[in-house]
Amino acid sequence: DTGVSQDPRHKITKRGQNVTFRCDPISEHNRLYWYRQTLGQGPEFLTYFQNEAQLEKSRLLSDRFSAERPKGSFSTLEIQRTEQGDSAMYLCASSLTGINIQYFGAGTRLSVL
Amino acid sequence: GNSVTQMEGPVTLSEEAFLTINCTYTATGYPSLFWYVQYPGEGLQLLLKATKADDKGSNKGFEATYRKETTSFHLEKGSVQVSDSAVYFCPRVGELVFGKGTKLTVNP
Repeated sequence: DTGVSQDPRHKITKRGQNVTFRCDPISEHNRLYWYRQTLGQGPEFLTYFQNEAQLEKSRLLSDRFSAERPKGSFSTLEIQRTEQGDSAMYLCASSLTGINIQYFGAGTRLSVL
Repeated sequence: GNSVTQMEGPVTLSEEAFLTINCTYTATGYPSLFWYVQYPGEGLQLLLKATKADDKGSNKGFEATYRKETTSFHLEKGSVQVSDSAVYFCPRVGELVFGKGTKLTVNP
């Protein structure tokens, strides 16, 4: 078990560009979560999946954000037309249904110039 | 509904000092409670948990007891180290809310 892995660890992009992040959860975990964390704040929930179904989305997840988990394994988070306000750490976590312990990846740090 | 109130920091201590970070909750029944820790530059990781009233969770010298009479789950450590410098989160029960956490800085 290698834990939750996220790729890339760092991403620098120019305003207006699209970016995509990947998360590989712990293999037997059926739930996968995305959070955003800005400096000095805790993680803010964005969305979560149970298997391939996206069950909940936060109001923070604007139309420019889309997340997928097509085969119920890895997930991608895409941000279109990035804005400077999107600069943050994007965290992924996974868990098993019925067990409320989330295992986090190290995150992808996005900087929008 | 369920809620958690965590003492916000920052907290600054000298090495070997005693640590308490308060966390109180309101909930229906006795749900599982958790403390997570985030070291600089890393994601969150589970520090300890308690699944029922009067349970004590412990890990890395940290302890927290699930006290139903005071509805609390305070995090304690008898002697902190510089390496304990991190942000500690007591998340809202059953919900995907972590709050700002409590930033602990331990000076040598």
